[in-house]
Amino acid sequence: GENVEQHPSTLSVQEGDSAVIKCTYSDSASNYFPWYKQELGKRPQLIIDIRSNVGEKKDQRIAVTLNKTAKHFSLHITETQPEDSAVYFCAASSQVASGTYKYIFGTGTRLKVLA
Amino acid sequence: NAGVTQTPKFRVLKTGQSMTLLCAQDMNHEYMYWYRQDPGMGLRLIHYSVGEGTTAKGEVPDGYNVSRLKKQNFLLGLESAAPSQTSVYFCASRYRTGPYGYTFGSGTRLTVV
Repeated sequence: GENVEQHPSTLSVQEGDSAVIKCTYSDSASNYFPWYKQELGKRPQLIIDIRSNVGEKKDQRIAVTLNKTAKHFSLHITETQPEDSAVYFCAASSQVASGTYKYIFGTGTRLKVLA
Repeated sequence: NAGVTQTPKFRVLKTGQSMTLLCAQDMNHEYMYWYRQDPGMGLRLIHYSVGEGTTAKGEVPDGYNVSRLKKQNFLLGLESAAPSQTSVYFCASRYRTGPYGYTFGSGTRLTVV
């Protein structure tokens, strides 16, 4: 079946440094790739997403890049701050029926920003 | 506008007991989903619904049933709870035609002893 691999599982960076999280997907028909941030004990929150017709998208300190040929996409966080500490999940859309999609999630990356 | 509301937030069940988790959304979303979250395994899809009166199985449907009698509500049932169903359960919803990002509920932490 379809799957999404996410690396690394944990990541520690110094405050102010950049963080990169990578995901690889298996379904070549995937066309939507969201990223979620989950703080401890909270619900996942959408932070950025990208459609397959775009190679890169930025929103202030976060950016996502997509390489459809290689079937991988990455989250980039620049100038990290302590409040960026959380678990980040990537996801890829997978078609279950005509016009109907579900999202397959990666296993998550625990990011720690050290002050 | 409450978004997606899950009840209860916490529950402890004994093996073999049954319970129903309720997800309610007030955003007129067509699609609704139930996921379970376990350490190191991310979010796995249990069941989903693309509209009132329709449901379908996800990746890990065994031991669960669902119903969507009203567009705004999606119920997840455990008929005979097992310790393997100890998990955090998240409901999510989204529009059929976009925006495509999920809105998640706050989760239900279920422990089966």
